[in-house]
Amino acid sequence: EAGVAQSPRYKIIEKRQSVAFWCNPISGHATLYWYQQILGQGPKLLIQFQNNGVVDDSQLPKDRFSAERLKGVDSTLKIQPAKLEDSAVYLCASSPAPGEEKLFFGSGTQLSVL
Amino acid sequence: SQQGEEDPQALSIQEGENATMNCSYKTSINNLQWYRQNSGRGLVHLILIRSNEREKHSGRLRVTLDTSKKSSSLLITASRAADTASYFCATDAHDYKLSFGAGTTVTVRA
Repeated sequence: EAGVAQSPRYKIIEKRQSVAFWCNPISGHATLYWYQQILGQGPKLLIQFQNNGVVDDSQLPKDRFSAERLKGVDSTLKIQPAKLEDSAVYLCASSPAPGEEKLFFGSGTQLSVL
Repeated sequence: SQQGEEDPQALSIQEGENATMNCSYKTSINNLQWYRQNSGRGLVHLILIRSNEREKHSGRLRVTLDTSKKSSSLLITASRAADTASYFCATDAHDYKLSFGAGTTVTVRA
């Protein structure tokens, strides 16, 4: 079974630039999550999708972050404009359905904002 | 906000020794999970313990849960170099969203 795919693996940008991350969850997984992990901290949930609908985006800084999940499969997370404090690893995770408990994570995209 | 807090922040042990780390949380939970993260990689699910369970085993892993104290512990027995990683507890507070702690970094010395 293929795992959660994320790209790019690394990204370096200047502050005020924009950046996009892509995630392809495990086939058949209805629930998709984006987490932000700052160095030395645990992952923090940014947004949760159920199929192509948003379940929870209460922690997403909506003035600069946006996310979509077209057709209920892969997803894109965008930051525009980026700030220095956005430097982090952005992790995508999926699960068969909410309440399925166990999450499957991708390897993440490491973002450095200079 | 992060619900779980792991203790200690870092742990260094000799190969073959046991490693114990603890997790405390604040609110009522549906279940508690432990994940491992190797450097530069995503998180891997290790074990899940439900609120009505007190202890669970999986291979060299043993997890306990004390809901009255709102705490959990993860024991890794007979550690190996490959166990070097960060370990995170995550709680599901009845809303199908996992909240992660800051993690315990474990280093196993050969």
